[in-house]
Amino acid sequence: DQQVKQNSPSLSVQEGRISILNCDYTNSMFDYFLWYKKYPAEGPTFLISISSIKDKNEDGRFTVFLNKSAKHLSLHIVPSQPGDSAVYFCAAYAGNMLTFGGGTRLMVKP
Amino acid sequence: KAGVTQTPRYLIKTRGQQVTLSCSPISGHRSVSWYQQTPGQGLQFLFEYFSETQRNKGNFPGRFSGRQFSNSRSEMNVSTLELGDSALYLCASSLVADRVNEQFFGPGTRLTVL
Repeated sequence: DQQVKQNSPSLSVQEGRISILNCDYTNSMFDYFLWYKKYPAEGPTFLISISSIKDKNEDGRFTVFLNKSAKHLSLHIVPSQPGDSAVYFCAAYAGNMLTFGGGTRLMVKP
Repeated sequence: KAGVTQTPRYLIKTRGQQVTLSCSPISGHRSVSWYQQTPGQGLQFLFEYFSETQRNKGNFPGRFSGRQFSNSRSEMNVSTLELGDSALYLCASSLVADRVNEQFFGPGTRLTVL
């Protein structure tokens, strides 16, 4: 049973527009959430995180929103750039353990 | 500062064999975590080591084991390989434990089991 799900395996967006990546979780014990970006042949790199006591965290073009009641988080990238094309993983933390979603492949078209 | 290195990068084994993968963390980092990435299951946590002690273990059978040495380098071992063990194995290091937003991942070892 997957506790963290990314229901969209892929997303295609035009350069300059907004990319919205979604993530749902089931375990209410998760208290910290992260987004990672992964290029082929490289390990994931940390992008942005949010604590469960917040509902929004912003870092430059990246904003993460957390809706605890819906057990849903999303990553907004504005404006999207071709270099953002990668696989994005959301992850949730509880009990000294990170649980990852299955990833969403983002393609930003020039 | 060198990043996390993993050796070998690619490995082909047959069912029933065993394999050992190696991870060298960033200099000064004492926490090493291992993950398995498969197309169907995404990234799954295997275990975490800190100061040579296993702190946490994911939901994997006992065929998966690991250890950490005094220089913080870590190895993971998979015995009696099965076809389903084919995956990308990633390790990540951080300065101390519980700093998940400060984890740095290596490029991974791609294991293929035939």
